[in-house]
Amino acid sequence: AQKVTQAQTEISVVEKEDVTLDCVYETRDTTYYLFWYKQPPSGELVFLIRRNSFDEQNEISGRYSWNFQKSTSSFNFTITASQVVDSAVYFCALRGNAGGTSYGKLTFGQGTILTVHP
Amino acid sequence: NAGVTQTPKFQVLKTGQSMTLQCAQDMNHEYMSWYRQDPGMGLRLIHYSVGAGITDQGEVPNGYNVSRSTTEDFPLRLLSAAPSQTSVYFCASSRSEKAYTIYFGEGSWLTVV
Repeated sequence: AQKVTQAQTEISVVEKEDVTLDCVYETRDTTYYLFWYKQPPSGELVFLIRRNSFDEQNEISGRYSWNFQKSTSSFNFTITASQVVDSAVYFCALRGNAGGTSYGKLTFGQGTILTVHP
Repeated sequence: NAGVTQTPKFQVLKTGQSMTLQCAQDMNHEYMSWYRQDPGMGLRLIHYSVGAGITDQGEVPNGYNVSRSTTEDFPLRLLSAAPSQTSVYFCASSRSEKAYTIYFGEGSWLTVV
């Protein structure tokens, strides 16, 4: 069975602080895909990143960066110089590779509520 | 979220009523799925479909029915609503390629009283 754990239920920071959201996953698949989604107060789910298990390069996109470490089964997300608009719920998710039917199925973490105060 | 359309956005039901949440996508995606989001539990898979005429159960299927008569549509039916089905429902779609991203609709807020 697959499992995703986001141990931080809520994080509160002041604007311009850096913040890291943790994500730890469990899977028996040798190939898998990790995702981060943002859910702003308006409620929709916004795709942020997809990472393949065979690509351990860290990625940076503007103020966002992701640290994928297969050895510790972690896929952490860092926001640099946080802004009020970053306030949202952030979900880490995992998709396995156990066969064709797994491609449309995501296992989500519980989500981390990030509040950035001005 | 462009391309995955969910209706209605908000709905209040009485216990025992039935209703259908509609989901449509115009991207010719093979895979479609329904998730529910509850506080502190993330999103959990209800049902999914890998193509027209093919559906299967996810993690929390009880109380819900689905069908997939066309590639575009994947409705979720509540036959007899219960307060435990108060939740936010998300429809998602994806191509059948393993490296493809899964896209979500804007969500449907359902309250059962």
